[in-house]
Amino acid sequence: DAEITQSPRHKITETGRQVTLACHQTWNHNNMFWYRQDLGHGLRLIHYSYGVQDTNKGEVSDGYSVSRSNTEDLPLTLESAASSQTSVYFCASVCNYEQYFGPGTRLTVT
Amino acid sequence: KQEVTQIPAALSVPEGENLVLNCSFTDSAIYNLQWFRQDPGKGLTSLLLIQSSQREQTSGRLNASLDKSSGRSTLYIAASQPGDSATYLCAVRPGGSGSRLTFGEGTQLTVNP
Repeated sequence: DAEITQSPRHKITETGRQVTLACHQTWNHNNMFWYRQDLGHGLRLIHYSYGVQDTNKGEVSDGYSVSRSNTEDLPLTLESAASSQTSVYFCASVCNYEQYFGPGTRLTVT
Repeated sequence: KQEVTQIPAALSVPEGENLVLNCSFTDSAIYNLQWFRQDPGKGLTSLLLIQSSQREQTSGRLNASLDKSSGRSTLYIAASQPGDSATYLCAVRPGGSGSRLTFGEGTQLTVNP
């Protein structure tokens, strides 16, 4: 079955380290998104892409970057991890206006 | 800026009860509205998608309505079961946003046996 996967599912890193979270979908969807979910803030959009080589900033993009070299993958990189980036990160893709979510990555920055 | 509010933040009901979850949004210029379910430690599962031209959508015991002009949507759950316990989120796709969604913070539902 087609699906959207994220790895790792859990990650602990130290302040200042570079971290990359992977997102892979097998549906061949063009539109992909990264969100973070925090208590009191709900889900907030970090970055999104509408196709290969296309990337756009969301509402909380500072300290994050993405790249889109193929349709299936949209990796999210934290350039220099900060404690404020401790969160649960979700990747999503869109088909026929409906968003489908991955299982999430719980990131802890110590 | 579009804002989405869900009331109540938490709800506890006995099994078998019919219930309504509410979602309101500040800008009526939306393309669609989507209801999701999130179980603890899990991702979001899409429940229902309502296009802006539609008034309601149904799936099994779930019925979602949309009143775009008043900026409101409701999710009706019939004959609730303990397995319905989860957090329910609504999200709107604002006009001119591409495929981006704006989310509410969710309603945490507990159905007691």
